[in-house]
Amino acid sequence: AQSVTQLGSHVSVSEGALVLLRCNYSSSVPPYLFWYVQYPNQGLQLLLKYTSAATLVKGINDFEAEFKKSETSFHLTKPSAHMSDAAEYFCAVHTNAGKSTFGDGTTLTVKP
Amino acid sequence: DTEVTQTPKHLVMGMTNKKSLKCEQHMGHRAMYWYKQKAKKPPELMFVYSYEKLSINESVPSRFSPECPNSSLLNLHLHALQPEDSALYLCASSQDGVEAFFGQGTRLTVV
Repeated sequence: AQSVTQLGSHVSVSEGALVLLRCNYSSSVPPYLFWYVQYPNQGLQLLLKYTSAATLVKGINDFEAEFKKSETSFHLTKPSAHMSDAAEYFCAVHTNAGKSTFGDGTTLTVKP
Repeated sequence: DTEVTQTPKHLVMGMTNKKSLKCEQHMGHRAMYWYKQKAKKPPELMFVYSYEKLSINESVPSRFSPECPNSSLLNLHLHALQPEDSALYLCASSQDGVEAFFGQGTRLTVV
């Protein structure tokens, strides 16, 4: 069975500061890992995905994540936060059996 | 067209009403999904259709009835809902059963 743990339900950074959102996973098979962003009352937008190719994955809006098998982690980073990055972020592990498991989410606040 | 379109965006219904949520995608994806998302919570999978056939039902109450009329459309029929069913209902589609594309959701309020 797969599971995802997002460490820190709330993260606050200053505009221009580094963003680091943590995600650890548990999976008995090689995982497919995703980060999604959700703005209020909207759907989920895919930021980036890991599907067993390069371990450093680059996504939209300068986000990137590194898959570390030894640490079972897939942390999301962005070098410089922008006010528009304030949103809810979900880490998810998918299987090709059609099921997905989401983390509980991390609310990112960006202070001016 | 890389969108998943959901209608309506907002819906208020009484506990004795019957209503339907609609989802449409024109990406040729073979799998379509319904998720329920409560405030400040992650999405919870409800149903999965693969090649227009129901493949996963996550023990959803029968007051929610999914339907897949064709490969581009997915409906969720609602009947005799409870106030606790109020949530954001998200539709998604996928070609490979792994990467999912989400719609903007229908905000449902049951009164």
